[in-house]
Amino acid sequence: DVKVTQSSRYLVKRTGEKVFLECVQDMDHENMFWYRQDPGLGLRLIYFSYDVKMKEKGDIPEGYSVSREKKERFSLILESASTNQTSMYLCASSLSRAGDINEQFFGPGTRLTVL
Amino acid sequence: GQNIDQPTEMTATEGAIVQINCTYQTSGFNGLFWYQQHAGEAPTFLSYNVLDGLEEKGRFSSFLSRSKGYSYLLLKELQMKDSASYLCAVLDSNYQLIWGAGTKLIIKP
Repeated sequence: DVKVTQSSRYLVKRTGEKVFLECVQDMDHENMFWYRQDPGLGLRLIYFSYDVKMKEKGDIPEGYSVSREKKERFSLILESASTNQTSMYLCASSLSRAGDINEQFFGPGTRLTVL
Repeated sequence: GQNIDQPTEMTATEGAIVQINCTYQTSGFNGLFWYQQHAGEAPTFLSYNVLDGLEEKGRFSSFLSRSKGYSYLLLKELQMKDSASYLCAVLDSNYQLIWGAGTKLIIKP
């Protein structure tokens, strides 16, 4: 079974704090993704990575950065948290970019509240 | 722009059949996914269609018409545990997933 784990299920931070969200997958997947999910908006892609040390902006990268130093780990960083970043953050991974079904496997999510 | 449309909410009765529709307009098409998401949990994969037609998997079936930009998820013999949100997502020409906002399905006894 593919396992995607996230460092925290719930997190409360203050405005201006630097926030780190960690994601680890154990199936040697090449691709990793960070989404945020807000009611009525669906999943919105923040950043993704197709390889170690590689990153690409998704639809809403502003206010976020990422790090992928190892294949299994993809970190999302909020440089200076703001209240509009209160959301559910979901990490996902998939096997390869093309030629496969590209099913994404999701972690349990981190519900971040910024006060 | 890219767009995925699905109803916001649907209600059905235990034991019945429900069809959740999804229409899409995307730059390219490399397949359509359906995911199930229970409240407070992560989405889990249900089905993948890349060719036209019906794919059946137990109580769940998914249909695709590429010419119409249309898919549906059919759930038979509904059970209370099927109460969840159902997410439609299309893999575009860049192999990125474009997500719909999801359909919340409420099952009543």
